[in-house]
Amino acid sequence: GQNIDQPTEMTATEGAIVQINCTYQTSGFNGLFWYQQHAGEAPTFLSYNVLDGLEEKGRFSSFLSRSKGYSYLLLKELQMKDSASYLCAPTGGGNKLTFGTGTQLKVEL
Amino acid sequence: EAGVAQSPRYKIIEKRQSVAFWCNPISGHATLYWYQQILGQGPKLLIQFQNNGVVDDSQLPKDRFSAERLKGVDSTLKIQPAKLEDSAVYLCASSSPQDSPSSYNEQFFGPGTRLTVL
Repeated sequence: GQNIDQPTEMTATEGAIVQINCTYQTSGFNGLFWYQQHAGEAPTFLSYNVLDGLEEKGRFSSFLSRSKGYSYLLLKELQMKDSASYLCAPTGGGNKLTFGTGTQLKVEL
Repeated sequence: EAGVAQSPRYKIIEKRQSVAFWCNPISGHATLYWYQQILGQGPKLLIQFQNNGVVDDSQLPKDRFSAERLKGVDSTLKIQPAKLEDSAVYLCASSSPQDSPSSYNEQFFGPGTRLTVL
């Protein structure tokens, strides 16, 4: 089975840096996705980690530790449009994603 | 490149009625997924197709939910009869298998169908 834990809500200030943590326990782990979901919209892909370490993509970076069952998403230079839900999703066999409940990020002025 | 298409976008029905949702994946994508997303939760996989075959339907409530992908392209998800707890957004996603072990199968999501059961 899968067990995924991420904070329910976070608040940060425009221009700041925020780190969203995710811990997971899975069977047959292949890699871990992060998706962004704005209210009323479909999830959109942010990042994928299969190896340990940090993957950087513009203002967004994602980190994975397979041995610890831990990942984080780092958002830099926060903008108001970054207010959204961030979904952690480890993958198992057959590209099966299991999503966490998501972290609702609110960016304030 | 056109994205994943879904219809209808919104549907309101009474409990015990039936409803069907339609999905057209990105052209060439062999794998199609249906997810249920209840308000405040992450998407939950209901069923996964590879071409027109079912790969995983372990979380599909088969007494009331059914899905098909007859020609390996578009797909229909049906609920019959609907219950109050089926109120949710139903998301369709598709992906294309990659040959390289270092690549990944990013799933592309459609806009979803918001179902309200009264």
